Amino acid sequence: DIVMTQTPLSLSVTPGQPASISCKSSQSLLHSDGKTYLSWYLQKPGQSPQLLIYEVSNRFSGVPDRFSGSGSGTDFTLKISRVEAEDVGVYYCMQSIQLPLTFGGGTKVEIK
Amino acid sequence: EVQLVESGGNLVQPGGSLRLSCAASGFTFSSYWMHWVRQVPGKGLVWVSRINTDGSSTRYADSVKGRFTISRDSAKNTLYLQMNSLRVEDTAVYYCARVLGYRVEFWGQGTQVTVSS
Repeated sequence: DIVMTQTPLSLSVTPGQPASISCKSSQSLLHSDGKTYLSWYLQKPGQSPQLLIYEVSNRFSGVPDRFSGSGSGTDFTLKISRVEAEDVGVYYCMQSIQLPLTFGGGTKVEIK
Repeated sequence: EVQLVESGGNLVQPGGSLRLSCAASGFTFSSYWMHWVRQVPGKGLVWVSRINTDGSSTRYADSVKGRFTISRDSAKNTLYLQMNSLRVEDTAVYYCARVLGYRVEFWGQGTQVTVSS
């Protein structure tokens, strides 16, 4: 199984300031089709996860442009350019290049 | 609007069975692969199972293989997870999720399964 490792475990951010989350996979997520299957999800308190970013850097429909993803191979980053109060929750990275789908342990983002 | 509504979660004794349902609406259910993912409250996400569009291909996590069965009924726009020989460690919130390509796009709100004597 591919192991996904996220850091940090938690972040406390002042509104309007940037935030960054790292995700590393134990194997390359680059598929033979040329795409890299790394996604980011946000689970807001009391809710189910919602897709933010897919294939490393593609924002899902309706996701604000303050969210961006980058990386390649085994190293990936989610950045929030200016954190807002509604961004609180737990962020997960996920690989979907092979089954079982595996998730990072999560990064809890809170507002200072 | 895409909607996935899980049901069937309950308190069950170890060794018991449950069948979870996931009612889909707002999209052509028969065109999408579907997954089940579970989460112990306060903990991380764990993939459980996957089914293709016509139900002819299924896959399971090692931890549930031989005990759980995923299926679907396109006439009813419903995904199922039959869970047998339940263990305490199966206690979790179970989410169904819609897949497009390699991305898990939409998740239901989840249903709580508690296995305890």
